[in-house]
Amino acid sequence: DGGITQSPKYLFRKEGQNVTLSCEQNLNHDAMYWYRQDPGQGLRLIYYSQIVNDFQKGDIAEGYSVSREKKESFPLTVTSAQKNPTAFYLCASSSGSFTDTQYFGPGTRLTVL
Amino acid sequence: GENVEQHPSTLSVQEGDSAVIKCTYSDSASNYFPWYKQELGKRPQLIIDIRSNVGEKKDQRIAVTLNKTAKHFSLHITETQPEDSAVYFCAASIGYSTLTFGKGTMLLVSP
Repeated sequence: DGGITQSPKYLFRKEGQNVTLSCEQNLNHDAMYWYRQDPGQGLRLIYYSQIVNDFQKGDIAEGYSVSREKKESFPLTVTSAQKNPTAFYLCASSSGSFTDTQYFGPGTRLTVL
Repeated sequence: GENVEQHPSTLSVQEGDSAVIKCTYSDSASNYFPWYKQELGKRPQLIIDIRSNVGEKKDQRIAVTLNKTAKHFSLHITETQPEDSAVYFCAASIGYSTLTFGKGTMLLVSP
């Protein structure tokens, strides 16, 4: 389970505020991903990055932004434009393509008050 | 894009029984099918995966079967134990494209 970390574990935000979720990995993985998990909805891809300084939108990118300035880090910003941000956010990494095993971080539970 | 349907959404079994979870996918080009287990409050963890050039794969009490013609794949757990209780997710991907997940199956194993 070690090697990919997320912080904080719990996060509370007021409506209208941006918030940034941290994701770090020391597995030397090239690819990193952000998923959103809602009850009964499975995991939905927000953004992914296969190399440094490059990232792609996933299925539900609206209201989110990311950066990939370092191989080890892939922070996710939830902006005020995200209409329903309360959810469990999972970061994952893999050595390369999507057919490689994805290893997940412990997740951040975001609650909008 | 790819669509993955997973059934059932909830499965209750007695300890020692077998459990089967089934997923169907829409894109015949999909060629990678992993299964993840997520215990309550924890991260998803890969438990087994299969690629389209293989029809079945086993790992101790867990097996996955793939039927490319029917576009479905299944997770089989034999001799279930209480610690098998968790949410299980299937997923599918097409080569170097994104993983599409099913909505999950909550497996409850009663002692």
